Amino acid sequence: GAVVSQHPSRVICKSGTSVKIECRSLDFQATTMFWYRQFPKQSLMLMATSNEGSKATYEQGVEKDKFLINHASLTLSTLTVTSAHPEDSSFYICSASGTLQGGYGYTFGSGTRLTVV
Amino acid sequence: DQQVKQNSPSLSVQEGRISILNCDYTNSMFDYFLWYKKYPAEGPTFLISISSIKDKNEDGRFTVFLNKSAKHLSLHIVPSQPGDSAVYFCAAALDYTGNQFYFGTGTSLTVIP
Repeated sequence: GAVVSQHPSRVICKSGTSVKIECRSLDFQATTMFWYRQFPKQSLMLMATSNEGSKATYEQGVEKDKFLINHASLTLSTLTVTSAHPEDSSFYICSASGTLQGGYGYTFGSGTRLTVV
Repeated sequence: DQQVKQNSPSLSVQEGRISILNCDYTNSMFDYFLWYKKYPAEGPTFLISISSIKDKNEDGRFTVFLNKSAKHLSLHIVPSQPGDSAVYFCAAALDYTGNQFYFGTGTSLTVIP
């Protein structure tokens, strides 16, 4: 149990276009969803936290208008990278927390490798 | 299905003793493994990694052991310190480039002073 499906796993897009990344909790209700950006062999950088039905809380330095997060249901959260630029190329990963995780556990998606050309 | 599992959601250890965090995986194609540490309200911090060609990697107080035949890895922290209290995640990838990571659900370590 406690599976988070993240799609797409890889995406290549042209500079200036927008890309949507989806995270779905398949067998539990994800009351909180976290979106991270990862650089190789480094920490996962928390971008934003979203609770179902509420606006996301963004970390300092993360542009709200560039990284749009929607968490409209207990099983789906989306991250849209708007007007993507090459510097947005990175590995994005979501994680979800809900009742199955016992309060301090997190289930991660498998990540999305974004390449902006 | 969960390809990387951390079956102990929590662990308590006395300061100065060894902490052993365990992780099991199901996909024999995993080639690269990592451990992350996470404090509340922060993102997970990279701790240590190991590739499948090794069975041990050591960095200061942290040592990761990999048993490929058993599809098992463990993180040893010795001696444990109160500042080590955090949630620890193991993760596996098909290669070191980091395309597609599979994370365990975490083990909350409490080091008792």
